[in-house]
Amino acid sequence: QVQLVESGGGVVQPGGSLRLSCAASGFTFRSYGIHWVRQAPGKGLEWVAFIRDDGNTKYYADSVKGRFTISRDNSKNTLYLQLNSLRVDDTAVYHCAKVTSSSWGTLEDWGQGTLVTVSS
Amino acid sequence: EIVMTQSPATLSVSPGERATLSCRASQSVSSKLAWYQQKPGQAPRLLFYGASTRATGIPARFSGSGSGTEFTLTISSLQSEDFAVYYCQQYNNWPLSFGGGTTVGI
Repeated sequence: QVQLVESGGGVVQPGGSLRLSCAASGFTFRSYGIHWVRQAPGKGLEWVAFIRDDGNTKYYADSVKGRFTISRDNSKNTLYLQLNSLRVDDTAVYHCAKVTSSSWGTLEDWGQGTLVTVSS
Repeated sequence: EIVMTQSPATLSVSPGERATLSCRASQSVSSKLAWYQQKPGQAPRLLFYGASTRATGIPARFSGSGSGTEFTLTISSLQSEDFAVYYCQQYNNWPLSFGGGTTVGI
């Protein structure tokens, strides 16, 4: 079955950096686009970024554009999110989510997430 | 950016009752609307895509409808396992956007 396992979260000071990873299994990773979605504590879902199956097309939320970078290594079945210039309001659980076979925009399978806490 | 607005924010219903959740888009998203269910401590679960197409394994008591700017998620007879937060999400335009959620509780 599809498994998505995020890692790399932790506590970081404002202005700092982190790299999140999402290890995928149970499907042909190179054939699917993947999203990052975050959820601040007690809040709703916020879409963060998307990368197409071949890694050549990427989209970002305005709130993270220029600070976060999404990438993937299809040889390792792994998705990444580089977080730079972190701010307190970036504190959230970050989920990776695989799209359906028919649409880039429908998030069919989700990981449990990794918590990023930005605090001084 | 398309703003998604869900109402009500909280819906109090009893088991066996019908629940109707609304989602409005600030501009037309055609039928590119998805619904998700999230329980405490869990990742979201896809319920519907294309506004009305049930995802795999979703019970028939759930139904989705609408197009353009107005969408509805209906749970015909609430079961105990349906108490959760429900989110709508548009995928007609980048950036993708979620509604603020509706909490369905007793």
